[in-house]
Amino acid sequence: EIVLTQSPGTLSLSPGERATLSCRASQSVSSSSLAWYQQRPGQAPRLLIYGASSRATGIPERFSGSGSGTDFTLTISRLEPEDFAVYYCQLYGYSPGTFGQGTKLEIK
Amino acid sequence: EVQLVQSGAEVKQPGESLKISCKGSGYSFTTYWIGWVRQMPGKGLEWMGIIYPGDSDTRYSPSFQGLVTISADKSLSTAYLQWSSLKASDTAMYYCARQLPQGDSSGWYDYWGQGTLVTVSS
Repeated sequence: EIVLTQSPGTLSLSPGERATLSCRASQSVSSSSLAWYQQRPGQAPRLLIYGASSRATGIPERFSGSGSGTDFTLTISRLEPEDFAVYYCQLYGYSPGTFGQGTKLEIK
Repeated sequence: EVQLVQSGAEVKQPGESLKISCKGSGYSFTTYWIGWVRQMPGKGLEWMGIIYPGDSDTRYSPSFQGLVTISADKSLSTAYLQWSSLKASDTAMYYCARQLPQGDSSGWYDYWGQGTLVTVSS
């Protein structure tokens, strides 16, 4: 079973700053097999990125995804107040489906 | 408009059975896999399994195989998650979600239900 490890566990930044979140797979995976989600408190997760780098419908351009092999990154270019939330990566195409443990993005 | 509407919060005692539901609308329910995801209090997301409502083909995570049953009634556009004997450790929020790409047994989740909170306590 492939394990996804997200880092850091918590990221403290200010609005307007750039956020870089990491998701590392325990073995090399297809770059088309990774998605990112945002979860705000009390809400269901929201799809941000699929296929490692494709933005979902309605997602602002400040969100971007990249990576290949074992290392993937979600970048938020300029943080808005509503971006402070928990972010999860998800691996698909490998049985079973799996999520990373999450990165909490908090206001500094 | 695509919607997944889940049944309401449940409070149950250990040993009781439970079936929660997820009703899809606004799209062809039978041609997209539906996934179930658990979120224990204050914790992350856990992939439980998926079902294809068109033929009820079901896949489970090894962590949940034998502990829950996923089913669907395509005539009602509804997927279900059920337990035969609940434990306190089943206390969690449970989400259903529509899987993309259409018809693919592996993929990402574009639409999510609002979640069903299950509390198991004596």
